[in-house]
Amino acid sequence: DAKTTQPPSMDCAEGRAANLPCNHSTISGNEYVYWYRQIHSQGPQYIIHGLKNNETNEMASLIITEDRKSSTLILPHATLRDTAVYYCISTTSNTGKLIFGQGTTLQVKP
Amino acid sequence: GAVVSQHPSRVICKSGTSVKIECRSLDFQATTMFWYRQFPKQSLMLMATSNEGSKATYEQGVEKDKFLINHASLTLSTLTVTSAHPEDSSFYICSANPGWSGADIQYFGAGTRLSVL
Repeated sequence: DAKTTQPPSMDCAEGRAANLPCNHSTISGNEYVYWYRQIHSQGPQYIIHGLKNNETNEMASLIITEDRKSSTLILPHATLRDTAVYYCISTTSNTGKLIFGQGTTLQVKP
Repeated sequence: GAVVSQHPSRVICKSGTSVKIECRSLDFQATTMFWYRQFPKQSLMLMATSNEGSKATYEQGVEKDKFLINHASLTLSTLTVTSAHPEDSSFYICSANPGWSGADIQYFGAGTRLSVL
């Protein structure tokens, strides 16, 4: 599975879009990019995933660059409840195992 | 959506005792479940893959005799921390994939905080 690199922390103003970057420059052709988040002292929560096309669901949008070496998770209107650690994971998805990096701590401020 | 339940949410035990943590998939069956451990201010670390009806697969460095995993049914996996010591104090989390969407989306339990005195 490709190694991912994320900034350790970011701030975002409440109501504004939060854009969380992830670098996965060694990603292979059959590896998906998954995003999870973990609110303090809870289990992680699935957000979104994609292979090469941009994806959108009720929680967020995922923008993957054409060369697939990086991606951005977009929370369109961040709220205080979006304060969490966000994990970007690249995996072939055939084992179910997730290897978590350090993630990005997003602090949404009023 | 898929629901994974863990019990207990918090447990305090004396050093040398064993503690059992349950992970249940409430609205789906799971042939495979995963157990993670998380120390304060650190990321999740995969401990083992729990396989229904067969032995668990442990990650390198995880003591299989200390962390006993049993996956006796399609909806229940248990993790037993044997002869617990203070250094085993941690946040233990399980996950499973219902397989509904065709994608490998893991759903996580709320976690169990173990404190060993």
